[in-house]
Amino acid sequence: DQQVKQNSPSLSVQEGRISILNCDYTNSMFDYFLWYKKYPAEGPTFLISISSIKDKNEDGRFTVFLNKSAKHLSLHIVPSQPGDSAVYFCAASVGAGGTSYGKLTFGQGTILTVHP
Amino acid sequence: ETGVTQSPTHLIKTRGQQVTLRCSSQSGHNTVSWYQQALGQGPQFIFQYYREEENGRGNFPPRFSGLQFPNYSSELNVNALELDDSALYLCASSLTAISDEQYFGPGTRLTVT
Repeated sequence: DQQVKQNSPSLSVQEGRISILNCDYTNSMFDYFLWYKKYPAEGPTFLISISSIKDKNEDGRFTVFLNKSAKHLSLHIVPSQPGDSAVYFCAASVGAGGTSYGKLTFGQGTILTVHP
Repeated sequence: ETGVTQSPTHLIKTRGQQVTLRCSSQSGHNTVSWYQQALGQGPQFIFQYYREEENGRGNFPPRFSGLQFPNYSSELNVNALELDDSALYLCASSLTAISDEQYFGPGTRLTVT
């Protein structure tokens, strides 16, 4: 049972344009969401997060949007840079700081390629 | 500040053998979580250790076990290895057990033949 899904295995964009990565979830108990970036031969690196009490969180070029009614979140990268090329994972947890025991449920990942 | 480190980087084992993977937490972090990442998939939660006690477990059989030491470093042990155990094993540390932001090591690539 895949509770967090990233339906696009890959995304290709031109440098300077917007990258939009999507993620859907099925567990309505999830209330904290994170995006991680992973380069080859490295572990995932935390990028940005959002609590379910918000619908948007920005950090520089990265913005995460959360639509709770649709159980959908997205990561926008503007402008995209070649160094952003990596695998992006969305992750979710139940009860931020509560009973989740730090269990993150990850999607399958989306490979982003930014062309110069 | 030292990040999360894992050893070894790569490992090849034979089916039925046992393996121990090691992780050193980021400085100041008292919680360690272990994940298994199969090829083409996202990481899957195995278990978490907080102050030397198991503090939550995912859907993995008992032959996956762990330890956390007083210095908050950790081990993942897998007994009776199966071919499907071939994966990247990731260790992540967090400031406390109630922190959702976890910091990952580079992983150990385990191949079972």
